[in-house]
Amino acid sequence: GAGVSQSPRYKVTKRGQDVALRCDPISGHVSLYWYRQALGQGPEFLTYFNYEAQQDKSGLPNDRFSAERPEGSISTLTIQRTEQRDSAMYRCASSLRQNTEAFFGQGTRLTVV
Amino acid sequence: AQSVSQHNHHVILSEAASLELGCNYSYGGTVNLFWYVQYPGQHLQLLLKYFSGDPLVKGIKGFEAEFIKSKFSFNLRKPSVHWSDAAEYFCAVGATDRGSTLGRLYFGRGTQLTVWP
Repeated sequence: GAGVSQSPRYKVTKRGQDVALRCDPISGHVSLYWYRQALGQGPEFLTYFNYEAQQDKSGLPNDRFSAERPEGSISTLTIQRTEQRDSAMYRCASSLRQNTEAFFGQGTRLTVV
Repeated sequence: AQSVSQHNHHVILSEAASLELGCNYSYGGTVNLFWYVQYPGQHLQLLLKYFSGDPLVKGIKGFEAEFIKSKFSFNLRKPSVHWSDAAEYFCAVGATDRGSTLGRLYFGRGTQLTVWP
């Protein structure tokens, strides 16, 4: 596609529900990144992939968070048993290779009520 | 752990005034440095980047940034701001190993720029 596409743009969920956030990177981009941004803060790294391999998941806050990129293209970030503190903007980015410019999507605004 | 500090959280300028946004980082190794901008309602966009070479880098829309290694700084500048520059600006740092960014970027908390006509 022309840019990084994230869906949904907005998600409101009840505490305790699971949510899945989707990221469709720019076609041909090897690297895919997930960040989380709380209000008034900068993006905070969660995890990233090269192709389908998860290279670094050290930023995932706890085991309720997981991510996958099974075919090396679209990625899903899953949050199980959501809590209010999970409310944030979740940003996905992709880059042609690991050390090149990262292009960001519009983000998914998650609100847990 | 690495950290990135943007000391000014909100900057208010009149149109045509000069802009300088501070960015300091803590990391002892080789770094790649970035400034991203987010205009209202839009996604993060790369403004400029420093990987190596001339420490004064030029970006889009007349922005430039200077890498001062001894000060661990990468300040963003523009000689004359326009109302369309109103946005949120993020400094980001990537650690490197043998010249390649190690995946993750560390972002500052951002500086909101307001420009009065």
